[in-house]
Amino acid sequence: DAKTTQPNSMESNEEEPVHLPCNHSTISGTDYIHWYRQLPSQGPEYVIHGLTSNVNNRMASLAIAEDRKSSTLILHRATLRDAAVYYCILRGLSGYSTLTFGKGTMLLVSP
Amino acid sequence: EAEVAQSPRYKITEKSQAVAFWCDPISGHATLYWYRQILGQGPELLVQFQDESVVDDSQLPKDRFSAERLKGVDSTLKIQPAELGDSAMYLCASSLSTGDGYTFGSGTRLTVV
Repeated sequence: DAKTTQPNSMESNEEEPVHLPCNHSTISGTDYIHWYRQLPSQGPEYVIHGLTSNVNNRMASLAIAEDRKSSTLILHRATLRDAAVYYCILRGLSGYSTLTFGKGTMLLVSP
Repeated sequence: EAEVAQSPRYKITEKSQAVAFWCDPISGHATLYWYRQILGQGPELLVQFQDESVVDDSQLPKDRFSAERLKGVDSTLKIQPAELGDSAMYLCASSLSTGDGYTFGSGTRLTVV
């Protein structure tokens, strides 16, 4: 599986936008970019995913570079409840492809 | 909103004892996954089921770990005998099919003493 690189941690203030970067220079043409987050003492939860075009949903936006070698998860207005570990994961299209988690980025949100 | 149920939420066991975890996926989800998460690290896949069949158990320590999903619905993960290094969070997830997003349960926190 192609690997991703994320910063270990980031800090933000409440109600400010947050841009979480992810590098994936060895991404293949059929790899989808998935983002999950894990709140303290809970299992990971799906945030968003995309292939080539930018994506928006109620939780976040995903901006994908034109060469697909990097992406950015955007939280438009961080809240204290957004403090979590955010995982950027590449997932292929093969029949039984699974999610392979790295260490992710720990997002700290200050009031 | 449908959830993946796991029990127990916490488990303390002595080393060399047997321990079992249970998972009930979202109804209709054919694919079920067990992950292990050591503190400070991301989850790592132990086993993947498609219905009642194991499709990937390459990372499962088969000398002491076993997993089953007999009727293709709920699943049990067993460790026998438990070792100190097995202390971790054990997470179950399910998806409608292999290409879909995962829904995780809240996990079972295992402490081996």
